[in-house]
Amino acid sequence: EDQVTQSPEALRLQEGESSSLNCSYTVSGLRGLFWYRQDPGKGPEFLFTLYSAGEEKEKERLKATLTKKESFLHITAPKPEDSATYLCALEKRDDKIIFGKGTRLHILP
Amino acid sequence: DAGVTQSPTHLIKTRGQQVTLRCSPKSGHDTVSWYQQALGQGPQFIFQYYEEEERQRGNFPDRFSGHQFPNYSSELNVNALLLGDSALYLCASSLALRGAGEAFFGQGTRLTVV
Repeated sequence: EDQVTQSPEALRLQEGESSSLNCSYTVSGLRGLFWYRQDPGKGPEFLFTLYSAGEEKEKERLKATLTKKESFLHITAPKPEDSATYLCALEKRDDKIIFGKGTRLHILP
Repeated sequence: DAGVTQSPTHLIKTRGQQVTLRCSPKSGHDTVSWYQQALGQGPQFIFQYYEEEERQRGNFPDRFSGHQFPNYSSELNVNALLLGDSALYLCASSLALRGAGEAFFGQGTRLTVV
């Protein structure tokens, strides 16, 4: 059965304290993996696309990496405005999209 | 560019009623996907429309149906509403060429069934 698991469910960090969020998956026919940010009461905002193991993408304080079974979202020296829920999603070759439940990240000033 | 717009933003319906939600995709996008997001959960894929046809469907009953118009806008219809249909309904638009995973989302329609 296709599955996307994100951990931890919630994470509280001090401003400047770097950490990583994990997205592990078992899926048949993976086309791509995506990271989104979602603020309360809003729709998800696209961050990154990863297609193959070893690929890395960066944007400001965020860096996404991909292996054959998991992806990491590394957050370097986070700021309070980085507080949000971070969602991982997979696109299968049959066009179906599967989202994880997300990691709620809270950065304390 | 207004991005993806959804209407209405909030809606309260009675169990057993029918509801229609609307979505206008980002300019230039040709694919629309609909998701249901319960509180504290990730979005669940309902279905995807491309060239006015349903291209793929998630594990949702036939009570959930949709339509895409020639201008790429889309509607989500839910019949015989249940209390469990209460959720945030998200519309996402994308380019078929780049795949539906790289999508722009609207702010959603919060549906409450009472």
